[in-house]
Amino acid sequence: AQSVTQLDSQVPVFEEAPVELRCNYSSSVSVYLFWYVQYPNQGLQLLLKYLSGSTLVESINGFEAEFNKSQTSFHLRKPSVHISDTAEYFCAVSQGGSEKLVFGKGTKLTVNP
Amino acid sequence: DAGITQSPRHKVTETGTPVTLRCHQTENHRYMYWYRQDPGHGLRLIHYSYGVKDTDKGEVSDGYSVSRSKTEDFLLTLESATSSQTSVYFCAISESPPTGELFFGEGSRLTVL
Repeated sequence: AQSVTQLDSQVPVFEEAPVELRCNYSSSVSVYLFWYVQYPNQGLQLLLKYLSGSTLVESINGFEAEFNKSQTSFHLRKPSVHISDTAEYFCAVSQGGSEKLVFGKGTKLTVNP
Repeated sequence: DAGITQSPRHKVTETGTPVTLRCHQTENHRYMYWYRQDPGHGLRLIHYSYGVKDTDKGEVSDGYSVSRSKTEDFLLTLESATSSQTSVYFCAISESPPTGELFFGEGSRLTVL
């Protein structure tokens, strides 16, 4: 069975600092990888995804993630965070073509002024 | 935003009573999902549907049943609610074939006393 490990449950950072949210997955087959973001009192929304092709994927608000097959990782990074990035971030994995998505337990990012 | 409506958004009920949560979509997507979100557990799949009258279990299906009589509606029923089912429930939809890209509703907060 697939599993996703988010290594940090909470990450506090100061505004304009860089951040990395770590995600590792376990799967021996082709996978699709995702980062979802949840702002307070809202549902989840897709931040970025890796399906195939370039291993570096970017979001429209400056986040990026790199698929590393040898390390089975899909870490999320942003070079300079804003207060508005405060949210909970979930890494998720699905086996290629599977209808089931497995989520990690989430990382709460808090950006302080 | 994807047209997904969950109802009710908030419900308080007593142990042993039946509860039905409704998810309604206007996107005509084939796949629909019910997840529960609990602190420290992330999102866990309860049940999902891959078409009208076609459903399957997720990882935490005990105590829950689902029905899908129309493409647009997916119902989650707790036949006899327990305190352990206090949670936030999210409905999600995806296109076919599934890739793991989900569109989420706003959530339904259920409290079982």
